[in-house]
Amino acid sequence: NAGVMQNPRHLVRRRGQEARLRCSPMKGHSHVYWYRQLPEEGLKFMVYLQKENIIDESGMPKERFSAEFPKEGPSILRIQQVVRGDSAAYFCASSGGTSGRADYNEQFFGPGTRLTVL
Amino acid sequence: DAKTTQPTSMDCAEGRAANLPCNHSTISGNEYVYWYRQIHSQGPQYIIHGLKNNETNEMASLIITEDRKSSTLILPHATLRDTAVYYCIVRVEGSGGSNYKLTFGKGTLLTVNP
Repeated sequence: NAGVMQNPRHLVRRRGQEARLRCSPMKGHSHVYWYRQLPEEGLKFMVYLQKENIIDESGMPKERFSAEFPKEGPSILRIQQVVRGDSAAYFCASSGGTSGRADYNEQFFGPGTRLTVL
Repeated sequence: DAKTTQPTSMDCAEGRAANLPCNHSTISGNEYVYWYRQIHSQGPQYIIHGLKNNETNEMASLIITEDRKSSTLILPHATLRDTAVYYCIVRVEGSGGSNYKLTFGKGTLLTVNP
């Protein structure tokens, strides 16, 4: 049973370019979460998505960041016009849901994408 | 979610038990205690969780005090591969609210020494 997959694992962009990070949830999971980890910091929640729906984007910066989880294909976190402060590790997690049994809610994390902005 | 307090770092000898404490004095009755760990350059890995009873799985044991204000994660026979940052998180289960938001603090860096 494949776990959460993220690609690319490492991404280098120059200031002003766009970054696209992809996440494929675990088989059978329909809930995706994105977290950001700045250097020497803990992970911070960014956004929670279900298929074709953004449920909670309260942790997303108001500008340049967007996320989607289409009916087909992986979830995408998109950062437009990247700046040096966007350099971080971006982790995706998936779960079977958010209610009911505790193990159904459990979030499984991918290996992350490390974004470096030059 | 309730706030947690963990030591910044701990050392443990290989083969010995590692006991990682966590204080969560403001935990609510419906909040679970979760433990994750993050090995360098990897994503967080779920370890164990519990509500009020002690729990054990193939990775670790979780001891929660009777008043639920603190807990201890026990790795019974630590190996070098257990070197990681360990995060203690409390969160509500069930529908509604924003209980899906995992709030990671800085955790405890456990270093297992040969």
